[in-house]
Amino acid sequence: AQTVTQSQPEMSVQEAETVTLSCTYDTSESDYYLFWYKQPPSRQMILVIRQEAYKQQNATENRFSVNFQKAAKSFSLKISDSQLGDAAMYFCAYRSAGGSNYKLTFGKGTLLTVNP
Amino acid sequence: DAGVTQSPTHLIKTRGQQVTLRCSPKSGHDTVSWYQQALGQGPQFIFQYYEEEERQRGNFPDRFSGHQFPNYSSELNVNALLLGDSALYLCASSLRTSVETQYFGPGTRLLVL
Repeated sequence: AQTVTQSQPEMSVQEAETVTLSCTYDTSESDYYLFWYKQPPSRQMILVIRQEAYKQQNATENRFSVNFQKAAKSFSLKISDSQLGDAAMYFCAYRSAGGSNYKLTFGKGTLLTVNP
Repeated sequence: DAGVTQSPTHLIKTRGQQVTLRCSPKSGHDTVSWYQQALGQGPQFIFQYYEEEERQRGNFPDRFSGHQFPNYSSELNVNALLLGDSALYLCASSLRTSVETQYFGPGTRLLVL
């Protein structure tokens, strides 16, 4: 079974600065997807960024980028120019790419605080 | 473009009761997944429905059951409620042909007393 570990229960960053959230995962599969989701206090889980394991290039979405290290099974999220609206719980998630395993497996989350 | 909607937003039940939660998928989506998120935890997969059939199930007892309707909307039913069933229940929808990205609704907060 796949597992996802987020070792930082809480992180804080000053507005306009950069922060990196860590995620490691365990799998024996070679093809899969990795995600970062953001969950603000309003509860709705919002997709931040997605990475396909077969792609060596790291995904980027505006101020959000990932550092995907397949051999190390590491998938960190970098938030540049942090904004107050970035404050939320961030979840790393894994999904198999093949077979009949459709579920998302989530880590326990990292609570990000943005200080003005 | 309507996103994923869920009802009700909050619910209070007592132990032993039964509850039904509802989900309407994002426009154009045909696959619905349900997750349970306990306080301070990441979501846990309950099951996924496609073509009105349960396609995959997580490690949840038979007290948790579901249904998908021809219009792709879905219900989650929980029987014989336990205190430990108190959680945020999230619905996520996706396209079968693109199931790697799941879009979530705002959730239903269930409190069992």
